[in-house]
Amino acid sequence: DVQLLESGGDLVQPGGSLRLSCAASGFTFSNYAMSWVRQAPGKGLEWVSTISGSGDSTHYADSVKGRFTVSRDNSKNTLYLQMNSLRVEDRAVYYCAKDRGLVVAVSNWFDPWGQGTLVTVSS
Amino acid sequence: DIQMTQSPSSLSASVGDRVTITCRASQSISSYLNWYQQKPGKAPKLLIYAASSLQSGVPSGFSGSGSGTDFTLTITSLQPEDFATYYCQQSYSTPRTFGQGTKVEIK
Repeated sequence: DVQLLESGGDLVQPGGSLRLSCAASGFTFSNYAMSWVRQAPGKGLEWVSTISGSGDSTHYADSVKGRFTVSRDNSKNTLYLQMNSLRVEDRAVYYCAKDRGLVVAVSNWFDPWGQGTLVTVSS
Repeated sequence: DIQMTQSPSSLSASVGDRVTITCRASQSISSYLNWYQQKPGKAPKLLIYAASSLQSGVPSGFSGSGSGTDFTLTITSLQPEDFATYYCQQSYSTPRTFGQGTKVEIK
């Protein structure tokens, strides 16, 4: 079974940094692009970032571009999201999700999703 | 960016009802439209991909249709476990945007 397990969520002050991790198992990790999607409390879903299977191609939402960095370690089957200059509006549950294919493509979708990790940004 | 608009934002229905949720894209996205179900406190779950393909393990009472800008998710006969929030999402271009969600509640 494919499993995704996020960790690293915490309470951090505005302007602070945090690194999220997503440990993957049950599939050949390097063969799939991976994504981060977030959900603010009581709100809808917002795509954050996607990284290709090899890690050489990344995409970001404008709301996080220049502040967040997605990366992966295929030897450890782990996806990361480095979040810097955090803002109050970054408060959300962050989900990692497996993409359908190796790279970002029109025919992709998110399946499955991890259980999420909560990031709280507050002074 | 492509905007995705769902309607209604919420609805009340009874077990056994037929439910239809609409998703409209701000520009043509061909059939690159996916649907997810989310229950409270849980991660979203893929229901339908590529507008009309049922994900493995999803009950056949769910179906999707549409292309271009207008799409529909239909639940043929609402079951107790189907009360949840449903999201559409386009994969035609980045950013990969979601609709605002449709909450299906018990009448």
